[in-house]
Amino acid sequence: LAKTTQPISMDSYEGQEVNITCSHNNIATNDYITWYQQFPSQGPRFIIQGYKTKVTNEVASLFIPADRKSSTLSLPRVSLSDTAVYYCLVGDRTGGFKTIFGAGTRLFVKA
Amino acid sequence: DAGITQSPRHKVTETGTPVTLRCHQTENHRYMYWYRQDPGHGLRLIHYSYGVKDTDKGEVSDGYSVSRSKTEDFLLTLESATSSQTSVYFCAISELTGTGIAEQYFGPGTRLTVT
Repeated sequence: LAKTTQPISMDSYEGQEVNITCSHNNIATNDYITWYQQFPSQGPRFIIQGYKTKVTNEVASLFIPADRKSSTLSLPRVSLSDTAVYYCLVGDRTGGFKTIFGAGTRLFVKA
Repeated sequence: DAGITQSPRHKVTETGTPVTLRCHQTENHRYMYWYRQDPGHGLRLIHYSYGVKDTDKGEVSDGYSVSRSKTEDFLLTLESATSSQTSVYFCAISELTGTGIAEQYFGPGTRLTVT
């Protein structure tokens, strides 16, 4: 299973763009990259998933370089409510999804 | 929100007693997971299931067993609870899609305290 490495914490201000980078040097050919968000006292919530290049949805963008050894979650114009822990995962879509979440990145958005 | 419930939501038990946590889903998803979450460790996978009666170990399975006799229910059992198993336990479900692995949907969590 490919392990991931993320910064432990990040600070930002409201209205700024936040980029959280995840390293996954041992990513396998069949692995997808998925990001989750977790608020206190709640279970994680899916944000975005991708395999290569760029994926964008109404919440975030995910940038994946050609070698796929890292990925960057981009949150446009964050607000106080984006304060949460963000997890990067890599996993194989076939035969189930045995996951390793890691410690995540704690994002704190200040006014 | 995905139909996932966990019971009980809170439990205090004594060391050495057996404990069973239940996860129930109404989504008919194939995959179900049990995680524990402790400060500084994020979420760690205990066991997962890829179908009825089909389960496998995660990274922290020692001291835990699971059973899945129906698609909708996934039980986590601590045969003899220890204080190190004090944690918040999350259940999750997922299903494969044609475009890639589906996201996991998480339950509300069970806070277990072993005294």
